[in-house]
Amino acid sequence: AQSVTQLDSHVSVSEGTPVLLRCNYSSSYSPSLFWYVQHPNKGLQLLLKYTSAATLVKGINGFEAEFKKSETSFHLTKPSAHMSDAAEYFCVVSPLRNTPLVFGKGTRLSVIA
Amino acid sequence: GAVVSQHPSWVICKSGTSVKIECRSLDFQATTMFWYRQFPKQSLMLMATSNEGSKATYEQGVEKDKFLINHASLTLSTLTVTSAHPEDSSFYICSAELAGERGETQYFGPGTRLLVL
Repeated sequence: AQSVTQLDSHVSVSEGTPVLLRCNYSSSYSPSLFWYVQHPNKGLQLLLKYTSAATLVKGINGFEAEFKKSETSFHLTKPSAHMSDAAEYFCVVSPLRNTPLVFGKGTRLSVIA
Repeated sequence: GAVVSQHPSWVICKSGTSVKIECRSLDFQATTMFWYRQFPKQSLMLMATSNEGSKATYEQGVEKDKFLINHASLTLSTLTVTSAHPEDSSFYICSAELAGERGETQYFGPGTRLLVL
């Protein structure tokens, strides 16, 4: 069975400091992995996607994620947080083609001025 | 590219009426679209998978007669909440699947807030 665990429900950082949002997954197959961001009362925006091409994936707005198979992790990072980064972040697994996405429960990122 | 729109963005209706929500892929064609429901401070819950030209596939526990899905073209899927009741109040989000060289990616609409009085 496929599952996604976002290890922190809430992360708070100061503006200008690094961001780390943790995600672990389990999958019987080689999955595709995604990070999406959701601002209040908005839909989800794709930040980045891993599909086995490269383990370090660069996304939009300065975010990156590294796929570590040995640790079954896909943590999201950003060197310097901006106030506009405050939002809900979802780690998502696509186990197989034509199967539903598996969502993590989300991590709320707060950025303090 | 890969923009998905939803209309309306919010709707208030009386109990017992039906509400139609449209989901459009604006700059790509989507054979497959998805409908999700999101409760406050929770993750997305998949309601159904909508395939162009065929019947939708509903997730367990989702009433197909209550949530009617029509995927009449490669750029439009509609969700109709029939005989809406206050417990149907929620945030409904659609997504459209774009196939690429490195597999499929779902692009999400901005969501529709439904309030049933």
